[in-house]
This record gives sequence, C-alpha cells and structure tokens, in this order.
Amino acid sequence: GENVEQHPSTLSVQEGDSAVIKCTYSDSASNYFPWYKQELGKRPQLIIDIRSNVGEKKDQRIAVTLNKTAKHFSLHITETQPEDSAVYFCAPISFNKFYFGSGTKLNVKP
Amino acid sequence: SAVISQKPSRDICQRGTSLTIQCQVDSQVTMMFWYRQQPGQSLTLIATANQGSEATYESGFVIDKFPISRPNLTFSTLTVSNMSPEDSSIYLCSADRQLKGYTFGSGTRLTVV
Repeated sequence: GENVEQHPSTLSVQEGDSAVIKCTYSDSASNYFPWYKQELGKRPQLIIDIRSNVGEKKDQRIAVTLNKTAKHFSLHITETQPEDSAVYFCAPISFNKFYFGSGTKLNVKP
Repeated sequence: SAVISQKPSRDICQRGTSLTIQCQVDSQVTMMFWYRQQPGQSLTLIATANQGSEATYESGFVIDKFPISRPNLTFSTLTVSNMSPEDSSIYLCSADRQLKGYTFGSGTRLTVV
C-alpha cells in the first residue's frame, strides 16, 4: 500500500493564527488528495480535497496545496478558531484505495 | 442527514462470538471500504468490497476473520468472527460518493469482553 507520512503529529496555535499540516506520499499514481477532520467520538469528515490536475484549492478559511513532483500536499487553515480543534488526517488515493496518515492533533487556544 | 448509515452504533460482545456490521449508502457506489480505528490511532484499511466480486483484503486481514458481503451497489456487511478482546475497536465503512468525495458511516464501537 501507499506510504503516507503526516507532520506534525501535534500542533498548538493561538486563536486567529494559521495552521499548516503537511502530508507526503509514495505512490506517484495517486490522483486524489483529501483531508479529513475528526472530532472526538465522531466519524472523519471530509473538509477539502484536490485532484491531481489542480495545484491549489480554497474553501473559505481552508486551503489545500499540492506538489505532485515532490509528492506532498498540505492543509492550510487561516484565522483558526477553537472549533477547529480536532484531529486531521490526510488520505491520498492510490489505485482506488485511500490510506490514512497518522493524524495531526490541532489545538487552538482561545 | 446521514448519507451512509451504519449499524449497530455500538455493541458489547462475548469472546468467541461474531458480530455483523451493516452499511447502507444512499446512492449506488462501485467500491465500499471497511476500516478499523483503535482509540487515539489512525484508520487502518481492512478490505475493499466491490459488488459481484470477492473483497480484497489488506495485509494482516483475512477473509476467515473478517468476511465481507456486497450483495448490491448500496449495501455491504463486515463480520468480525470468533472475537477476542484485541478486536475491540471502532469499525467504519466508507464509500466513494463521486463528487461528494469519500465519506464515512458513523462507525461501530465494538467491545469484546
């Protein structure tokens, strides 16, 4: 399966600051790159995704950037709010399967 | 409203028994996926289920332990067989809902005693 690495494992920011989480993957055939947010006790929720023919996608305070040459993509959250506190997972798709990164626990301090 | 319904939401089972988890999608999907998530951990793919063919299992997971059914394009089941306490986990199904992305059921929290 795909080798997925996610950094950092924990991230603590002050409310209003930006947060960036990076995901690297091994399979050059990967063509779909989603990010999931998981709150405690809940299912992972898709928050943004990008396909391989696009370099960047933005949705309000959330953006994803993709560098296919370097095989990494990043989640950017601007103007963070306490409700952004959760665990975030990347899950690049390889051969119609998606393998999850190890997760990043984001803590937004009020 | 839920688009992938999963049940049961939780169960406590005796070791040696089996539990079947059901997953219903609100639209036809080609592929469905089953994951396991240990507390505080990431999600691990168990198997991929295509309608009309046998499921494809990931390394470390076998059909005898986790038989999967996929009778049609909107439904799948995962059975956890001959359970032991090590099988205690959250089990999640997922499906590719095309433009809506890969989304998850609400999960089944299994405790084996």
